[in-house]
Amino acid sequence: GAVVSQHPSWVICKSGTSVKIECRSLDFQATTMFWYRQFPKQSLMLMATSNEGSKATYEQGVEKDKFLINHASLTLSTLTVTSAHPEDSSFYICSAIRGSTDTQYFGPGTRLTVL
Amino acid sequence: GNSVTQMEGPVTLSEEAFLTINCTYTATGYPSLFWYVQYPGEGLQLLLKATKADDKGSNKGFEATYRKETTSFHLEKGSVQVSDSAVYFCALRSMNRDDKIIFGKGTRLHILP
Repeated sequence: GAVVSQHPSWVICKSGTSVKIECRSLDFQATTMFWYRQFPKQSLMLMATSNEGSKATYEQGVEKDKFLINHASLTLSTLTVTSAHPEDSSFYICSAIRGSTDTQYFGPGTRLTVL
Repeated sequence: GNSVTQMEGPVTLSEEAFLTINCTYTATGYPSLFWYVQYPGEGLQLLLKATKADDKGSNKGFEATYRKETTSFHLEKGSVQVSDSAVYFCALRSMNRDDKIIFGKGTRLHILP
């Protein structure tokens, strides 16, 4: 089946630093990837839609200058949390659409803790 | 706008009990409907889906029927196992496959041996 990986699986950083999270589709090409944020015991909140070769589309209320998204190839999208603060601590999940199917495949998530 | 409402958890059942997790939706047109499952420490996995009215999605003993008249997509399983303990998310996506998926808040399921 389709596999989506994320790296790192967890990261701890100091306040004010930047953190990059990678999302890769391992066995398929994904023109569209999505980035979600999940708070403890809550649902997934869509942050942005990442399209290969073009700018990401951000959801209302998500700061595009703080959460930088780059979808440079058909198998890789990155999310960079800039100048991270403790309130950015969360579980970040990516997903990818495989070809002409209508199914999103999710990565295992990255837990970010900002001290 | 589109939205998904599912029953709040946690839901605690004994092994071999019958499970129902209610899910209703609000959407224009004919969305695709999904159930995702998140096992402890893992990412979301698609459990089942239905793309049109009266379709029944099924997988691993779980079933859900797309009911247009009641705008519902309730998840059922006849006999749950301890290994079914997880968080279950109902979700929808509008007809354009590139549209975002709207998730419900999730229902945590605990199965006792």
